Amino acid sequence: EVVMTQSPAALSVSPGERVTLSCRASQSVSSNLAWYQQKPGQVPRLLIYGASTRATGIPARFSGSGSGTEFTLTISSLQSEDFAVYYCQQYNDWPSRTFGQGTKVEIK
Amino acid sequence: EVQLVDSGGGLVQPGGSLRLSCAASGFTFSTNGMSWVRQAPGKGLEWVSTISGSGGNIYYADSVKGRFTISRDNSQNTLYLQMNSLRAEDTAVYYCAKERGYCTNAVCHWYMDVWGKGTTVTVSS
Repeated sequence: EVVMTQSPAALSVSPGERVTLSCRASQSVSSNLAWYQQKPGQVPRLLIYGASTRATGIPARFSGSGSGTEFTLTISSLQSEDFAVYYCQQYNDWPSRTFGQGTKVEIK
Repeated sequence: EVQLVDSGGGLVQPGGSLRLSCAASGFTFSTNGMSWVRQAPGKGLEWVSTISGSGGNIYYADSVKGRFTISRDNSQNTLYLQMNSLRAEDTAVYYCAKERGYCTNAVCHWYMDVWGKGTTVTVSS
């Protein structure tokens, strides 16, 4: 099983700041990585697939990068609606797609 | 608009059974793989099971293999998850999710692009 490790577990950020979240895979997953956003009591929403392609309707302030074992999700200027938990998921190891434990982005 | 409506959750005793449903609309259901993903209280996301569009290919996480059965009725645009021999550790919100794929170098990869609102399963005596 591919283990996904996200860091940090949580961070406090002020609106307007730039945020960088990290995700590491225990073995190479190529570019087969997705990022999801989950707000409290809500459904996970797809942000990024293919490590760097934004899903339909996702604002340009969200960007993804990386390949192999190291990945990054960047929010260029954090908006109030972006406070949430962010999960990375590898889908290279079919069918056992595994998620990271999540990074919680909180208001500072 | 793609919509997935999960239902069927509830409180069940350990060892009991439950069947979840997911009603789909807004896309061609029979040509899309579908999955179930769960989230235990206060925890992260765990893939549970996937079924291909035709229903001919089925996959399970080791944690549910032999106890859960995924199926679909393409005439009713509905996905199911039959859960037997339930354990306390199966307590979670269960989400159905639509699969979307792309192919590079003749290899195809699948991720979950739309999720249902979830249905809560509680296993407790």
